[in-house]
Amino acid sequence: EADIYQTPRYLVIGTGKKITLECSQTMGHDKMYWYQQDPGMELHLIHYSYGVNSTEKGDLSSESTVSRIRTEHFPLTLESARPSHTSQYLCASSAPGTTMGYTFGSGTRLTVV
Amino acid sequence: DQQVKQNSPSLSVQEGRISILNCDYTNSMFDYFLWYKKYPAEGPTFLISISSIKDKNEDGRFTVFLNKSAKHLSLHIVPSQPGDSAVYFCAAKVTSARQLTFGSGTQLTVLP
Repeated sequence: EADIYQTPRYLVIGTGKKITLECSQTMGHDKMYWYQQDPGMELHLIHYSYGVNSTEKGDLSSESTVSRIRTEHFPLTLESARPSHTSQYLCASSAPGTTMGYTFGSGTRLTVV
Repeated sequence: DQQVKQNSPSLSVQEGRISILNCDYTNSMFDYFLWYKKYPAEGPTFLISISSIKDKNEDGRFTVFLNKSAKHLSLHIVPSQPGDSAVYFCAAKVTSARQLTFGSGTQLTVLP
């Protein structure tokens, strides 16, 4: 079944650690996105990609980085986690011309202690 | 500057009654609007959408209304069911833009 997968679902990690949040999709979508959401707040775009080797920063400034070496894979990395990075991170993908907007993964709830 | 606003953070409705969720936007360039539903610990899932050339779109129990002059859209759920309890996000897009712009969500609780 075509879908979009994020791992881990939950992550509690200490300050200063390097982390990578994984996102993979099986739908062959060229466009992929990372959104950040705090409780009760809107989703903010932090990274997006139009295809392999194409990544750009979103409207919300983020210290994270992304890579897009394969169409299906769009990992997000934090080199040195801080408590201010505590949030939910949502990965999404979209196909051209779709009326359904994005397909989202289940998200990663990150807590930095 | 929040371009998509959902001013009601929460809404409670009795089962079987109508739920009306509201959304306002400020960017007149938006030409496509979507509603997503989100359960706890899950990602948002697409619910229904509407193009700016329409003022109504219906899908089963869900109807979205668009009032372009007022820059306002609403989602009607009739009849409401306990399984509809979730956070509902309004989103808008300029067709040529790279991203969806989301509101902050409304927590709907349908009481049995």
